[in-house]
Amino acid sequence: KQEVTQIPAALSVPEGENLVLNCSFTDSAIYNLQWFRQDPGKGLTSLLLIQSSQREQTSGRLNASLDKSSGRSTLYIAASQPGDSATYLCAANLRGGSEKLVFGKGTKLTVNP
Amino acid sequence: NAGVTQTPKFRVLKTGQSMTLLCAQDMNHEYMYWYRQDPGMGLRLIHYSVGEGTTAKGEVPDGYNVSRLKKQNFLLGLESAAPSQTSVYFCASRESGTRADTQYFGPGTRLTVL
Repeated sequence: KQEVTQIPAALSVPEGENLVLNCSFTDSAIYNLQWFRQDPGKGLTSLLLIQSSQREQTSGRLNASLDKSSGRSTLYIAASQPGDSATYLCAANLRGGSEKLVFGKGTKLTVNP
Repeated sequence: NAGVTQTPKFRVLKTGQSMTLLCAQDMNHEYMYWYRQDPGMGLRLIHYSVGEGTTAKGEVPDGYNVSRLKKQNFLLGLESAAPSQTSVYFCASRESGTRADTQYFGPGTRLTVL
């Protein structure tokens, strides 16, 4: 059974700091790995999607990497801002017959001014 | 485009009552999903649909039914609500069947069953 783990569960940093959020998955047979952002009381917003054949994806100050062999993905946020404060979720899209995204429990990020 | 919308935003039910959650998308997406999000559990897939008239079970389908009579709408029904179904429910949609596309999420419905 695929399990997705995110460490740490919560992170507090000062504004301007570069930071890394971690995501690990137990089954390397994934189709892709996605990172989402969730603001309090809101739905999820897709940030980056990395296909299994890719090593990384970049969007603005965000860079996500994927290492299938070690079962790890990281989300790098450069020059963090208070507006980056949110919960960040990673989700593994499994290969196989059933349609399924397996989500981690998220990392709650607080960027202090 | 409104994207993915969910109705209602909040609801309180008594045990045994029934209700239907409505999800609507205006992006002409083929795939639609219902998830529930519980503290400490992450998001879990309840049911999904790969096109109009189709439905399939996800990870936690018991106690729920779904219907996709129109491409733009995906309904989630609770026939006899239980306190264990207290949760935040999210609907999502995706354009194609290649799994290369991301899912777009609605704002959620917060359901409390007393």
